[in-house]
Amino acid sequence: GENVEQHPSTLSVQEGDSAVIKCTYSDSASNYFPWYKQELGKRPQLIIDIRSNVGEKKDQRIAVTLNKTAKHFSLHITETQPEDSAVYFCAATDAGKSTFGDGTTLTVKP
Amino acid sequence: ETGVTQTPRHLVMGMTNKKSLKCEQHLGHNAMYWYKQSAKKPLELMFVYNFKEQTENNSVPSRFSPECPNSSHLFLHLHTLQPEDSALYLCASSQVLGQGRAEEKLFFGSGTQLSVL
Repeated sequence: GENVEQHPSTLSVQEGDSAVIKCTYSDSASNYFPWYKQELGKRPQLIIDIRSNVGEKKDQRIAVTLNKTAKHFSLHITETQPEDSAVYFCAATDAGKSTFGDGTTLTVKP
Repeated sequence: ETGVTQTPRHLVMGMTNKKSLKCEQHLGHNAMYWYKQSAKKPLELMFVYNFKEQTENNSVPSRFSPECPNSSHLFLHLHTLQPEDSALYLCASSQVLGQGRAEEKLFFGSGTQLSVL
């Protein structure tokens, strides 16, 4: 089955700096890669996603890149703000089944 | 509100109790999921239902029994649970595009925080 590894497990940045979270996956059949943000005590919510036929996608301060050959994808957050503090999960999806990484706790210090 | 509601929000039960978790989605989706979230394993897939048919049972113990009477409702029946089953149980829904196509994004409910004493 699919195996997703996510790094780092915790990340602390100063407000205004950039944050990068990386995930690797094992199953080359995975073709959809979403990222979810979960604030403390709240439900996970999708923030950006990318399909296997695309190399990069951007939405304002958030971007995701995908390297199919190397089987890794990354989340990039620029100009971080305190409200970006949360747990971020990556996932790799194949045939209707998502396998999640273990999450990254991002703390943005004002 | 994402359109996925779960009840109850909190549940405390003894190991001999029987209880049920309920999930309802108002998004017109055709797939529903149960996930377990704990400190040990942040987001662990338990069950998947596509068009009311169970398509995935991720080696979940039989003390957890799912039920999907229609595409809008999903239940998780609990009996003789163990303290290690204490966790946040999240329901999610999505619109699966069809055979061979990847699922669309998941919409999660707020979860049921379960404590087994």
